[in-house]
Amino acid sequence: DIQMTQSPSTLSASVGDRVTITCRASQSVSTWLAWYQLKPGKAPKLLIYKASTLESGVPSRFSGSGSGTEFTLTISSLQPDDFATYYCQKHNGFPLFGQGTKVEIK
Amino acid sequence: QVQLQESGPGLVKPSQTLSLTCTVSGGSISSGSYYWSWIRQPAGKGLEWIGRIYPSGSTNYNPSLKSRVTISVDTSKNQFSLKVSSVTAADTAVYYCARGGVFPEDWYFDLWGRGTPVSVSS
Repeated sequence: DIQMTQSPSTLSASVGDRVTITCRASQSVSTWLAWYQLKPGKAPKLLIYKASTLESGVPSRFSGSGSGTEFTLTISSLQPDDFATYYCQKHNGFPLFGQGTKVEIK
Repeated sequence: QVQLQESGPGLVKPSQTLSLTCTVSGGSISSGSYYWSWIRQPAGKGLEWIGRIYPSGSTNYNPSLKSRVTISVDTSKNQFSLKVSSVTAADTAVYYCARGGVFPEDWYFDLWGRGTPVSVSS
């Protein structure tokens, strides 16, 4: 079975930092990868799909890259609103999520 | 704009059936090419896709839950529902409803509800 693995599990950063989160698939998912932002009590938010396509309304400081088995989500300059947990998900067929990366205040 | 709202009991006894409803507002559940999904997140764990339904009633389920899960749709009420039978403490989670694409490459979720917590306890 395919597995999605994110690293790190937790990331401590400051406002203004450049942040990178990695997602690895145990077998190729081509570019069929999405990223979400989750905050307690709020509706999860789709950030990126097809590895690098920014969802409408998502700030341009978010970007995604990668193909095959290795992907990254980058926040170019961390803002106070960005402290949250981020999940990757393969979206070709059966949806499978990574275990999440919590971005916390340093 | 289209919004999703989950509703249902927050506490279910072990061995009983968990029942939740997702109400779609601001648009018709039957318009556009969308599947409607349920996703859950146990405390301290990651997201798990439960299953999905098309307005026609066509469904797909996570194989790990398929024997206990039923998803149904009521287009007249603009709602879709989840039932999980024979629940245990492992079914304790925040349950989300979400909207996803139709094509196999489009199984990402562009719209979610806020989630509703469900605890399984006697």
